[in-house]
Amino acid sequence: QTVVTQEPSFSVSPGGTVTLTCGLSSGSVSAHYYPSWYQQTPGQAPRTLIYNTNTLSSGVPDRFSGSILGNKAALTITGAQADDESDFFCALSMGNGISVFGGGTKLTVV
Amino acid sequence: EVQLVESGGDLVQPGGSLRLSCAASGFTFSSYWMSWVRQAPGKGLEWVANIKQDGTEKFYVDSVKGRFTISKDNTKNSLTLHMTSLRADDTAVYFCARNWRSAFDSWGQGTLVTVSS
Repeated sequence: QTVVTQEPSFSVSPGGTVTLTCGLSSGSVSAHYYPSWYQQTPGQAPRTLIYNTNTLSSGVPDRFSGSILGNKAALTITGAQADDESDFFCALSMGNGISVFGGGTKLTVV
Repeated sequence: EVQLVESGGDLVQPGGSLRLSCAASGFTFSSYWMSWVRQAPGKGLEWVANIKQDGTEKFYVDSVKGRFTISKDNTKNSLTLHMTSLRADDTAVYFCARNWRSAFDSWGQGTLVTVSS
């Protein structure tokens, strides 16, 4: 069974930079998995940030960026703001019509 | 503006059935794959099912295979999820999402399904 891994939680200072990662329980994440990233605040629908590894979704500020770092997909937030405090989820396309989400990272800006 | 509006969520007993709908507007519905994604209370997102533009291909997460059916009516710009043999662990907010480039690029606000006796 494919398990997509994310850090359960992360902290960043206001104005700081943080990198969240998205890995596989076995194997490496590559662009072949078309990693995507989503932000969600409690009670709200997810908001799409990044698709196809590093393409910014419409209206998303360029403080957010996506990449492959080593064997994982990565979401980097620069100049963190208070309203970035939320849950971040990655998703991988497994190439057979199936998508798998990671467990999510709760980001605290403090 | 892309709009996805889910409906049909309800309280249902274990073993029961429910049909969720998603009304789409603001884009050419027939040109897109569509998906259902769910989120159990306090948990993460879980992809449930998706369907090709013309409805000829459908995929499901293992836990709902044989119980859930996704369908798409391009004449009514509507996506449906028919759920049967519901279990307590199907309790979740169900989101309708548009697929783009192997991702989910637009989301509805969700509809709550509660399975409980």
